[in-house]
Amino acid sequence: AQTVTQSQPEMSVQEAETVTLSCTYDTSESDYYLFWYKQPPSRQMILVIRQEAYKQQNATENRFSVNFQKAAKSFSLKISDSQLGDAAMYFCAYRSSEYGNKLVFGAGTILRVKS
Amino acid sequence: DAMVIQNPRYQVTQFGKPVTLSCSQTLNHNVMYWYQQKSSQAPKLLFHYYDKDFNNEADTPDNFQSRRPNTSFCFLDIRSPGLGDAAMYLCATSRDTSLSYNEQFFGPGTRLTVL
Repeated sequence: AQTVTQSQPEMSVQEAETVTLSCTYDTSESDYYLFWYKQPPSRQMILVIRQEAYKQQNATENRFSVNFQKAAKSFSLKISDSQLGDAAMYFCAYRSSEYGNKLVFGAGTILRVKS
Repeated sequence: DAMVIQNPRYQVTQFGKPVTLSCSQTLNHNVMYWYQQKSSQAPKLLFHYYDKDFNNEADTPDNFQSRRPNTSFCFLDIRSPGLGDAAMYLCATSRDTSLSYNEQFFGPGTRLTVL
């Protein structure tokens, strides 16, 4: 079974600075998807960024980018120019390419943004 | 706007008293999911429907049931809630479960309190 580990329960960043959230996973599959989801307090979870395992190029979405290291099974999220609205719980998630569309989530990292 | 709606947002029930949580979607997606998210933990998939086909996770307790009367609605029934069932329940949808990417769209969740 796949597992996802987020080793940072909480992180803090100063507004306008850059922060990196860590995620590692365990799988024997070669083809899969990885995601970062953002869950603001009392609001719905939204997709921040995704990465297909077969793509070597790291995904980017505006201020959000990932560092995908397939051999190391590492998938970190970098948030540049942090904004107050980035404060949320961030979940790393794994999706197998074989078993339907099931997502396996990490335990989450709370990101606090200081003004 | 097309979206995933969950009602109620907050639900209080008594120990052992059956409770039903509701999810509706305007995305016309084939797949609907129910996740349980306990405090400060990762969301955990309980089951999902692909159209009318019900798919239960192996470790989902029998106390949890689901119904999907039509494409738009899906219900989570907890037959005899225990204190350990207090959690946030998240509904999500996706267009499909095929091998190609299918983003899951989440509702805002229902927070269940068991007294």
